[in-house]
Amino acid sequence: DGGITQSPKYLFRKEGQNVTLSCEQNLNHDAMYWYRQDPGQGLRLIYYSQIVNDFQKGDIAEGYSVSREKKESFPLTVTSAQKNPTAFYLCASSIVFAVNTEAFFGQGTRLTVV
Amino acid sequence: KQEVTQIPAALSVPEGENLVLNCSFTDSAIYNLQWFRQDPGKGLTSLLLIQSSQREQTSGRLNASLDKSSGRSTLYIAASQPGDSATYLCAVSNAGNMLTFGGGTRLMVKP
Repeated sequence: DGGITQSPKYLFRKEGQNVTLSCEQNLNHDAMYWYRQDPGQGLRLIYYSQIVNDFQKGDIAEGYSVSREKKESFPLTVTSAQKNPTAFYLCASSIVFAVNTEAFFGQGTRLTVV
Repeated sequence: KQEVTQIPAALSVPEGENLVLNCSFTDSAIYNLQWFRQDPGKGLTSLLLIQSSQREQTSGRLNASLDKSSGRSTLYIAASQPGDSATYLCAVSNAGNMLTFGGGTRLMVKP
């Protein structure tokens, strides 16, 4: 099955901890994205990567970090600097970083601070 | 900065009704517009992608239109079914494939 796999589905973080959310795709897509969704709101872009070994900040990058060492993987680390990390995190990919390409999404990771 | 608004925020209709969901955006210089469906606690499923040069796209009971100059799109759902109950999100692309999302319309179709 081709698609985007996010893990874990649920994640709990203690205050002051860093946690890493996994995103893997087997669609052979060049571009990958991380979005954050808060209750009742639309998605906001955290980081994106056009190609391996490249990534750029989105609208709300503060307190987050990413890496893109492999084409199929784009992990997101939520650092202790992110003051309000409780949210639903969605990873997406598109065949290339270009207009008129469809974005495909994973099933999300729900992060809760305890 | 692009802003996307969806009206209404929530909608409840009886089964079989035709309905229209609205999406508006402030910057008409978009490359495409996508409509997504999101079930509770799940990811997004792409429904329709309309490129900026197109006026509408159809898939089954769904029809999406785009009026770029006025900054509007509508998603028309024909003969609604309880299985259509979900949140519907529209998103526009101004650069690359970075999407700006609306807040969504939560649809409930009652049997």
